[in-house]
Amino acid sequence: DSGVTQTPKHLITATGQRVTLRCSPRSGDLSVYWYQQSLDQGLQFLIQYYNGEERAKGNILERFSAQQFPDLHSELNLSSLELGDSALYFCASSVRGDSQETQYFGPGTRLLVL
Amino acid sequence: QKEVEQDPGPLSVPEGAIVSLNCTYSNSAFQYFMWYRQYSRKGPELLMYTYSSGNKEDGRFTAQVDKSSKYISLFIRDSQPSDSATYLCAMRSGNTPLVFGKGTRLSVIA
Repeated sequence: DSGVTQTPKHLITATGQRVTLRCSPRSGDLSVYWYQQSLDQGLQFLIQYYNGEERAKGNILERFSAQQFPDLHSELNLSSLELGDSALYFCASSVRGDSQETQYFGPGTRLLVL
Repeated sequence: QKEVEQDPGPLSVPEGAIVSLNCTYSNSAFQYFMWYRQYSRKGPELLMYTYSSGNKEDGRFTAQVDKSSKYISLFIRDSQPSDSATYLCAMRSGNTPLVFGKGTRLSVIA
């Protein structure tokens, strides 16, 4: 158990809908990362937050947004969902978000868009 | 050309075999190299971490980085059925985001 929690574990929804994925980092970790994992693209970095502020952005679609709250939990919002958004979404956390730190991954949320 | 290339396998070996997994990359700025292990329906977990070139050993696992060839390897000695998982290489330069390979699926048969 990495100490990172994600809810829900599974999500089934329809095209055009909006969903929110939630992540609680390990105790003491200030940095949260979101990743998308699909069979064809592999694990892709979406966005990073550090202590409530956006620190880095990757291949995140404009339909997706995220935020980190004062209690350090983070939410990833996916809107106008398309079939191609079906994937595993992982959250990871680290203490400060520095390059030499280990990122600890949560168990993921499996999203299926029908 | 993708930044990080990794053969997806699957790779199937008998118990006790030496396993060699590898990745190639194109960005010469990468300095930090990692191997993650991902069991089915779980999140990736860090297995090995190497800075710049060289070897690092941890128990049955050895990570090698050859920056001149832009090639990294993970060796697993005396492989066990519990090593059956997907192995992801990952790398970064400075404080840039991690770039992952697509992963190699390994099965160790008892």
